[in-house]
Amino acid sequence: DAGVIQSPRHEVTEMGQEVTLRCKPISGHDYLFWYRQTMMRGLELLIYFNNNVPIDDSGMPEDRFSAKMPNASFSTLKIQPSEPRDSAVYFCASSFTSNQPQHFGDGTRLSIL
Amino acid sequence: AQKITQTQPGMFVQEKEAVTLDCTYDTSDQSYGLFWYKQPSSGEMIFLIYQGSYDEQNATEGRYSLNFQKARKSANLVISASQLGDSAMYFCAMREGGYNKLIFGAGTRLAVHP
Repeated sequence: DAGVIQSPRHEVTEMGQEVTLRCKPISGHDYLFWYRQTMMRGLELLIYFNNNVPIDDSGMPEDRFSAKMPNASFSTLKIQPSEPRDSAVYFCASSFTSNQPQHFGDGTRLSIL
Repeated sequence: AQKITQTQPGMFVQEKEAVTLDCTYDTSDQSYGLFWYKQPSSGEMIFLIYQGSYDEQNATEGRYSLNFQKARKSANLVISASQLGDSAMYFCAMREGGYNKLIFGAGTRLAVHP
């Protein structure tokens, strides 16, 4: 079975540009999560969806961040405008139910210059 | 207060020996789940093992076992017969009762020496 697929794996862009990160969850998984990993703050949940509906976005740092899940097989995380402090590894994860383990994608390493 | 505490920033172990990575947690919920993930230097997060708060038996998955001591609120990961490929960061995480998000500890970096 294919795991969670994220793209791109690496993104380097200049401050002020729009960044779009993409995620395809494992087929049949009803929950999708976006996490951010930094040295200073570790792994933090940004937002999660259940059946394509955003449930908790309290971890989204600012209005510059937005996430969508237009269908069960695709989600995006956008940052507009991007800032150097957004540099981090962004992970997408999915789970079958709320009680099942979350399976992570390989992450997107984002660098904002 | 920290929800998940991993007190060992780094650990060393000789190949083929067993190693225990510590994790303590803080919750007032009766229903919760505890997870361990491995993050190799390549960066991906790999799910290793899960323990539910109502599970009476310690979870095991191959060479991984979880030493769950509910009264002490600890969920230590035991890796038996360490291999060089076990060198990685290991994260303990908790999901509390009605919440679906995982709260992660700071991680322990394990180095396996030949």
